[in-house]
Amino acid sequence: DILMTQTPVSLPVSLGGQVSISCRSSQSLLHSDGNTYLHWYLQKPGQSPQLLIYRVSNRFSGVPDRFSGSGSGTDFTLKISRVEPEDLGVYSCLQSTHFPNTFGAGTKLELK
Amino acid sequence: EVKLVESGGGLVQPGRSLKLSCAASGFSFNDYWMGWVRQAPGKGLEWIGEINQDSSTINYIPSLKDKFTISRDNAQNTLYLQMSKLGCEDTAIYYCARRYGTFDYWGQGVMVTVSS
Repeated sequence: DILMTQTPVSLPVSLGGQVSISCRSSQSLLHSDGNTYLHWYLQKPGQSPQLLIYRVSNRFSGVPDRFSGSGSGTDFTLKISRVEPEDLGVYSCLQSTHFPNTFGAGTKLELK
Repeated sequence: EVKLVESGGGLVQPGRSLKLSCAASGFSFNDYWMGWVRQAPGKGLEWIGEINQDSSTINYIPSLKDKFTISRDNAQNTLYLQMSKLGCEDTAIYYCARRYGTFDYWGQGVMVTVSS
């Protein structure tokens, strides 16, 4: 199985600040069809996960442009600028290039 | 509005079976792959499996393939997860999700607790 390693585990932030979350895969996530199936989710406390970014850098419907994704191959980053209170929670990456799909363990974004 | 509502969870004894349901609304259910993901207490998300539109393709995480069965009823807009031989390690919140490229919409989840 593909191992997805997220860092850091915990990320203290000040409101209005900017943060980056890293997700690294044990194998390249470039699919033979030319796409890279790496996605980002946010799970707010007590809620189900919500899709933020799909295929590395595409914002899902309604996701503000404060969220941006980048990366290729095995190394990916989620950046959040101008952090707002509703951004707090656990961020997880998901790879769906390889079977079985696997998630990162999560990064908890919390107030400093 | 896309809505997914899981049901059927609860407390179950080890070794027993349980069937979860996921009622879908707000979209054309039979046009989408659907899947299940679980989250053990205090842990990360785990992909369980997924089913295509006409149930001709069903994929499972290998470790659960002999215990869990995913099915769907397009006439009822409902997704199912049949779980058998449950163990304590299966205690988790179970989410159903719509798959369009990736899991784009999720239900609120249903808790399954396996304990004697």
